[in-house]
Amino acid sequence: GAVVSQHPSRVICKSGTSVKIECRSLDFQATTMFWYRQFPKKSLMLMATSNEGSKATYEQGVEKDKFLINHASLTLSTLTVTSAHPEDSSFYICSALNGREGFVAKNIQYFGAGTRLSVL
Amino acid sequence: GENVEQHPSTLSVQEGDSAVIKCTYSDSASNYFPWYKQELGKRPQLIIDIRSNVGEKKDQRIAVTLNKTAKHFSLHITETQPEDSAVYFCAATVLFGNEKLTFGTGTRLTIIP
Repeated sequence: GAVVSQHPSRVICKSGTSVKIECRSLDFQATTMFWYRQFPKKSLMLMATSNEGSKATYEQGVEKDKFLINHASLTLSTLTVTSAHPEDSSFYICSALNGREGFVAKNIQYFGAGTRLSVL
Repeated sequence: GENVEQHPSTLSVQEGDSAVIKCTYSDSASNYFPWYKQELGKRPQLIIDIRSNVGEKKDQRIAVTLNKTAKHFSLHITETQPEDSAVYFCAATVLFGNEKLTFGTGTRLTIIP
């Protein structure tokens, strides 16, 4: 199946620093990627939709200046948590949309392994 | 927007028994319903999906049923095994629409040996 790589897997940083998380589709091109936030024992909350070559679309309540998203190529999207504070501590997961497998049209999201961010 | 409800939040079954997880959705335009399994500290993985043009789909011990009229869909796991223990999420979206998945709140399934 399709593979999505997410780095780093864990980040511990001081309050006020910025943290960049990378999401790569390794064996397919993804014009669309998604960024989620997951709180302990909770569901995945969509933060934003990342589109290659255009600006990200943010969900209601998500600060775009706080969570900067750049979809630099068909295989890479980055999420930068700017001036991180303890309340930003969370598990962040990306997914990449694989719209096609061979000649078959699909619409499957493949997830990265997640990044656990701890802001001190 | 779409709203997906999932029940139960926790489920414990004896090894070898069946487990059923149910979801309802609100948007009649939704036509694609994947199920994801997430083990502790790991990524969600797609285990089965169903499109609205079919009522049931089966893959070995896992099956999904869909009732479009009632806006219900369910995951059925038969002959459960310890490795089935995980959190399961249902989701709904419009295929080739905005592509956004709306997830249910998750079900923590525990298989008792």
